[in-house]
Amino acid sequence: DIQMTQSPASLSASVGDRVTLTCRASQDISNYLNWYQQRPGKAPKLLIYAASSFHSGVPSRFSGSGSGTHFTLTISSLQPEDFATYYCQQSFSTPPTFGGGTNVEI
Amino acid sequence: QVQIQQWGAGLLKPSETLSLTCTVYGGSFSGYLWSWIRQSPEKGLQWIGDINENGSTNDNPSLESRVTISIDTSKNQFSLNLGSVTAADTAVYYCARVRVWYQTGHMYPYYYRDVWGIGTTVTVSS
Repeated sequence: DIQMTQSPASLSASVGDRVTLTCRASQDISNYLNWYQQRPGKAPKLLIYAASSFHSGVPSRFSGSGSGTHFTLTISSLQPEDFATYYCQQSFSTPPTFGGGTNVEI
Repeated sequence: QVQIQQWGAGLLKPSETLSLTCTVYGGSFSGYLWSWIRQSPEKGLQWIGDINENGSTNDNPSLESRVTISIDTSKNQFSLNLGSVTAADTAVYYCARVRVWYQTGHMYPYYYRDVWGIGTTVTVSS
């Protein structure tokens, strides 16, 4: 199975901050990488697919980049509703696997 | 707008079978895969398996053939059975729709889960 490693595990930030979350794959996955946001007690919500393509309705302050084994999710200006846990997931091979998440907190 | 409603038993004893069902409202059932994922503090988010509208399935080998996923297109429903549960199967179980995107110039399609159910908490305890 492909291992997905996210860093940091947790970060503290303030409204208006620019934050960058990192996801690394244990092998080359090209751009077969999705990002999800999960608020406490809720289901994950798709933000980005194919490493950099926006899902419908996702605010433009979110952006994804990367290819191969190194990927980033950037939030250009944190909003109160962005405090959540973010997960990356590879869809390059079966089984699809998720990272351990990055918790963005105040 | 597509919504997925899920239900099933939330408390099981070891060795019993977990059974969950999801119904899809407000959108086409065909042309997608339908997925089960679970989440626990110990294992994080874990893919269980997918099914297409024709009933072809793909599931996680780590679950050691305990998984049965089925579909009823006449009711816009798909279901999960997980046999011989133990405490390690305690988790929040989600169902989701999987979009399959074929991008020009790329050999393999992209898969991403764009609509999720709200989750069902399943506890296995004697």
